[in-house]
Amino acid sequence: SQQGEEDPQALSIQEGENATMNCSYKTSINNLQWYRQNSGRGLVHLILIRSNEREKHSGRLRVTLDTSKKSSSLLITASRAADTASYFCATRTGTASKLTFGTGTRLQVTL
Amino acid sequence: EAGVTQFPSHSVIEKGQTVTLRCDPISGHDNLYWYRRVMGKEIKFLLHFVKESKQDESGMPNNRFLAERTGGTYSTLKVQPAELEDSGVYFCASSQAYRQGRVDEQFFGPGTRLTVL
Repeated sequence: SQQGEEDPQALSIQEGENATMNCSYKTSINNLQWYRQNSGRGLVHLILIRSNEREKHSGRLRVTLDTSKKSSSLLITASRAADTASYFCATRTGTASKLTFGTGTRLQVTL
Repeated sequence: EAGVTQFPSHSVIEKGQTVTLRCDPISGHDNLYWYRRVMGKEIKFLLHFVKESKQDESGMPNNRFLAERTGGTYSTLKVQPAELEDSGVYFCASSQAYRQGRVDEQFFGPGTRLTVL
């Protein structure tokens, strides 16, 4: 079963609009991270939120975490064409170092 | 500073053949991870090296997959013999010194796209 599931699977918006992506997970976590993947490139780490945090900001990114609902959201404000990419949430549990990823959201930002 | 590099970027082979993927982590990173994304599915963990030792290989799908990290530097992932379901993108990541419970950011390479025909 998947630890992380994102929705929507695909999102198309116009430049300047906000984009919200959601992630749900199944087990208790230490932290939750969001990654971006541009076509043909590796995964780029965007932001990490720990299990005892509820909200975190980084530039145009805002992440929330609700451990009672086992869910997180990533908000990208004032989107740009360069934000076009796939976005993945990933969780880390227990003492393990490995990351457990969701299926990702494909974001398309048009001019 | 060079990031994580992977070679080749794309490999097309026939079912039954052997393929070896290579990952060069960021210099000085003790931790090296392999992940893969099969078409349309989530990115899944394969295994984790700390230096040259396998710390966690719980994600390796079967004994057709062999990972090595001799000398604790670069790593290879060999698939022998390759099957159709092995097609996907194989990612490598590295992070700094291993300390239990410490959160170290994993830096990912661009991936190797493997196509098995």
